[in-house]
Amino acid sequence: AQSVSQHNHHVILSEAASLELGCNYSYGGTVNLFWYVQYPGQHLQLLLKYFSGDPLVKGIKGFEAEFIKSKFSFNLRKPSVQWSDTAEYFCAVNAPEYGNKLVFGAGTILRVKS
Amino acid sequence: DTGVSQDPRHKITKRGQNVTFRCDPISEHNRLYWYRQTLGQGPEFLTYFQNEAQLEKSRLLSDRFSAERPKGSFSTLEIQRTEQGDSAMYLCASSLAGGRETQYFGPGTRLLVL
Repeated sequence: AQSVSQHNHHVILSEAASLELGCNYSYGGTVNLFWYVQYPGQHLQLLLKYFSGDPLVKGIKGFEAEFIKSKFSFNLRKPSVQWSDTAEYFCAVNAPEYGNKLVFGAGTILRVKS
Repeated sequence: DTGVSQDPRHKITKRGQNVTFRCDPISEHNRLYWYRQTLGQGPEFLTYFQNEAQLEKSRLLSDRFSAERPKGSFSTLEIQRTEQGDSAMYLCASSLAGGRETQYFGPGTRLLVL
């Protein structure tokens, strides 16, 4: 069965610090990859996505993620976080061979101290 | 707002009662998904529809759960004889069928079974 691992459940950073959230998945075939964010009191929103092509993808609010196929990873990065980035971040994978569903990681709660 | 909407947003019920949730997808989206999210976990896939056809169901979807999308527009998720373990956030997402499918999520219905 497919699975997605997010390495850190809680991350605390000061404003202007750099961010990297890890995401690894278990499936070896073709994958579509996503990062979703859930701000306090809001619903899940798409941050960025990868389907094919350039493995470095840029999303909203200065976030980017890099797909490294050999490592089965899709880590999320931001060079300088802001207080408003405080949220829960979810990595999700779709393996088209297994249908259209998304398989999510457990999430990483990011708290940015001002 | 033309996003995915869900109703109700919160539901408290007693064990053994039946509950029904509604999801209205983004209007032009032909795929509709239900996920369940418990505390500290990412969303888990329950079922999905393409138009009115229910194409996939997770093993998580016990016989007490039923979902419909009678006219290919809104969908309902019913839980019969609720149990305390059903307490969770029930999320709906919609998408346009295609090779580069992106799912957009609603605000969820939070269910508490007493």
